[in-house]
Amino acid sequence: EIVLTQSPDFQSVTPKEKLTITCRASQSIGNSLHWYQQKPGQSPKLLIKYTSQSFSGVPSRFSGSGSGTDFTLTINSLEAEDAATYYCHQSSSLPWTFGQGTKVEIK
Amino acid sequence: EVQLVESGGALIQPGGSLRLSCAASAFSVSSNYMNWVRQAPGKGLEWISIIYSGGDTSYADSVKGRFVIFRDSSKNTVYLQLNSLRAEDSAVYYCARSPSGYYFFDNWGQGTLVTVSS
Repeated sequence: EIVLTQSPDFQSVTPKEKLTITCRASQSIGNSLHWYQQKPGQSPKLLIKYTSQSFSGVPSRFSGSGSGTDFTLTINSLEAEDAATYYCHQSSSLPWTFGQGTKVEIK
Repeated sequence: EVQLVESGGALIQPGGSLRLSCAASAFSVSSNYMNWVRQAPGKGLEWISIIYSGGDTSYADSVKGRFVIFRDSSKNTVYLQLNSLRAEDSAVYYCARSPSGYYFFDNWGQGTLVTVSS
């Protein structure tokens, strides 16, 4: 099973700041890495597919990069509505797995 | 508009069985890959099962042999049969779509809560 480790676990940021979340895989997964946003009481929403492809309707301040074992989600100019937990997910090999999540608080 | 609506969650005793449903609209469950993902209270996401468009299935080790995923194309609904339930199966269960040939989850339901407790 491929283990995904996200860092940090928690980040408190001010509006308009830039935030980078990293996701490290226990073995190479190519570009099969996706990012989701989950707000309290809601189901997750897809942000980025296959490392860097923005999903339809996602604001342009969200972007992804990386390959192999190291990946990043970047949120430029954070807004209050970006307060959420963010998860990475690999689909390189079954079982699909998720990172443990990064909780983002807006000060 | 693509929509997934789960139902069937309940409070159930350890060792019991339950069937969850995921009714889809605006697309065919038979033409896509359909998944179940669960989230224990206050915890992260755990993928547990997939049914491919061709009908093949796969499961996480944590549920293999106890849970069964299947679909009814006439009702455009995917099901998850939960057997031999344990306390650690308590979670919100989400169904999620992966477009055929792809493995990200582009649409999720609102979830249904399963609580396993005596």
